[in-house]
Amino acid sequence: AQSVTQPDIHITVSEGASLELRCNYSYGATPYLFWYVQSPGQGLQLLLKYFSGDTLVQGIKGFEAEFKRSQSSFNLRKPSVHWSDAAEYFCAVGGGGTYKYIFGTGTRLKVLA
Amino acid sequence: NAGVTQTPKFQVLKTGQSMTLQCAQDMNHNSMYWYRQDPGMGLRLIYYSASEGTTDKGEVPNGYNVSRLNKREFSLRLESAAPSQTSVYFCASSAIEGEQFFGPGTRLTVL
Repeated sequence: AQSVTQPDIHITVSEGASLELRCNYSYGATPYLFWYVQSPGQGLQLLLKYFSGDTLVQGIKGFEAEFKRSQSSFNLRKPSVHWSDAAEYFCAVGGGGTYKYIFGTGTRLKVLA
Repeated sequence: NAGVTQTPKFQVLKTGQSMTLQCAQDMNHNSMYWYRQDPGMGLRLIYYSASEGTTDKGEVPNGYNVSRLNKREFSLRLESAAPSQTSVYFCASSAIEGEQFFGPGTRLTVL
């Protein structure tokens, strides 16, 4: 079955600390992978995407993610978190000829001053 | 470019009432989607339209209907609203197998 798992529902970090949000997927075809961010009361904004090529991808706002095929993972990282990064983060998978995208249940990030 | 727009932003309905949520995109995307977002459940696909003239069911289609009016517009209709349909509804569009672009959402409460 196709699925996306974000094992951490909530994460709290101090401002300036590093961040890693986990994402694992199960997908039958070669996956296209995405990370989105949602601020309260807003829609989802794309942070970064992986289609092919270099497995380390850079996104907006200083985020990066690494695709590890052997671990079926696409973890999101940021070296130094800012208070404005507090939001909910969603991992998603699609591709392989399907028009459907599968979203994880999200990780809510809290940033302590 | 406005991107993806949705109307209305907020709506309160009584059980049994009907309404249509409107969505439009100006990015010339072929594919459009309707999701609902509930706490702890992420985004669940209601219906999608891979291209103009086609629509298909997603994960949670019961109680909803859709119309792909033209390439730009994709509407979601609740024929007889139920409290279980209280949610935030997002429309999205994408090029073929590209990233999705989301609208700002509609907050619907069914009493």
